[in-house]
Amino acid sequence: RKEVEQDPGPFNVPEGATVAFNCTYSNSASQSFFWYRQDCRKEPKLLMSVYSSGNEDGRFTAQLNRASQYISLLIRDSKLSDSATYLCVVNAHMDTGRRALTFGSGTRLQVQP
Amino acid sequence: IAGITQAPTSQILAAGRRMTLRCTQDMRHNAMYWYRQDLGLGLRLIHYSNTAGTTGKGEVPDGYSVSRANTDDFPLTLASAVPSQTSVYFCASSENVNSGANVLTFGAGSRLTVL
Repeated sequence: RKEVEQDPGPFNVPEGATVAFNCTYSNSASQSFFWYRQDCRKEPKLLMSVYSSGNEDGRFTAQLNRASQYISLLIRDSKLSDSATYLCVVNAHMDTGRRALTFGSGTRLQVQP
Repeated sequence: IAGITQAPTSQILAAGRRMTLRCTQDMRHNAMYWYRQDLGLGLRLIHYSNTAGTTGKGEVPDGYSVSRANTDDFPLTLASAVPSQTSVYFCASSENVNSGANVLTFGAGSRLTVL
């Protein structure tokens, strides 16, 4: 089982739609969680951190469920410019004592006019 | 503009050749990383460096080496390239490897094809 799993998609949605992605993680010691966005043939960029109480940034809402070990990203009122791959990222202490970031393979979103 | 510069942007390389991918950051970040990204596998950590003068192995270190002579530079070397090393390579940095936030800034990537 992968440490961080995401539905690869693609999710094809019309403009204005609401879309949600889930991501599950296997390491119960995970402490920090993030969503990164990656445009085609570009580098990943931080979209938002995910806090225990959930957090919102404009049209984007991130939530964390520690009991079930998943995080979610909700995008409201989708724009064409939201078309990208969304990467789930989990940060945990490893046996070595070092923190390590583990990336999911990403969920592709295509917003259509 | 502060950030990470990678070179080359893309390269086609014959198997068996030696190749160094360059990475320079101007943000004075302590930690630097090299990832490779392959379709369906996501980003996988090759090597990292907590601070200048130290390096460590990531998830897929075999066939790669790194050095961190100073804060700004973190080159990745393929001593003898093989076709399975065909990938997109991203260099990244963060203020500190063990900070809770540990937000990464990525370079634009180096697309390497080994024939």
